[in-house]
Amino acid sequence: EIVLTQSPATLSLSPGDRATLSCRASQNIDTYLGWYQQKPGQAPRLLIYDASNRATGIPARFSGGGSGTDFTLTISSLEPEDFAIYYCQQRTDWPRTFGQGTKVEIK
Amino acid sequence: QIHLVQSGPEVKRPGASVKVSCKTSGYTFSRYAIHWVRQAPGQRLEWMGWVNAGRGDAKYSEKFQGRVTFTRDTSATTAYMDLRSLKSEDTAVYYCAKLSDTLFFDYWGQGTLVAVSS
Repeated sequence: EIVLTQSPATLSLSPGDRATLSCRASQNIDTYLGWYQQKPGQAPRLLIYDASNRATGIPARFSGGGSGTDFTLTISSLEPEDFAIYYCQQRTDWPRTFGQGTKVEIK
Repeated sequence: QIHLVQSGPEVKRPGASVKVSCKTSGYTFSRYAIHWVRQAPGQRLEWMGWVNAGRGDAKYSEKFQGRVTFTRDTSATTAYMDLRSLKSEDTAVYYCAKLSDTLFFDYWGQGTLVAVSS
């Protein structure tokens, strides 16, 4: 199965900072990667699909990039509501797999 | 609006079975697959499989093959997950999620906690 490895595990930042999260795939997944945000006690929320496309209603401060095996999620200027855990997920192959998550916490 | 509403929390003994429901509304149920994803405490999301809401056929992760069954009732616009031979390691929050046209999960249920303990 395709293993997704996210880094860093935790990102300690302040509101207004830029956040850059990484997701690396164990094999080429083209651009078939999505990003989700999850807050405590809530279901995940789709942010980005196919590496760089924002899902409906997602603010422009969220952007994604990459292809092949290396991907990034960037939050240009952190808002208070952005402190959460972020997961990447691939749709290239079965089983669908998720990364282990990056927690963005308030510094 | 689109909603996926799951059944309530469950406490089960090892070896028992659990059935979780996922009631959908706000879209054409038969048009989109429903996937099931679980999250054990402090762990990453784990994909379990999916059911074709129109045809009713299902695909399972090898990890759960033989122990889980996905079904749906089109008249009730509801999907179901039946997990058997429960073990303590099955303690997790179970989510249903609607597959979007982008082939990612655009709407999720609120999650159902299944606790397995003797």
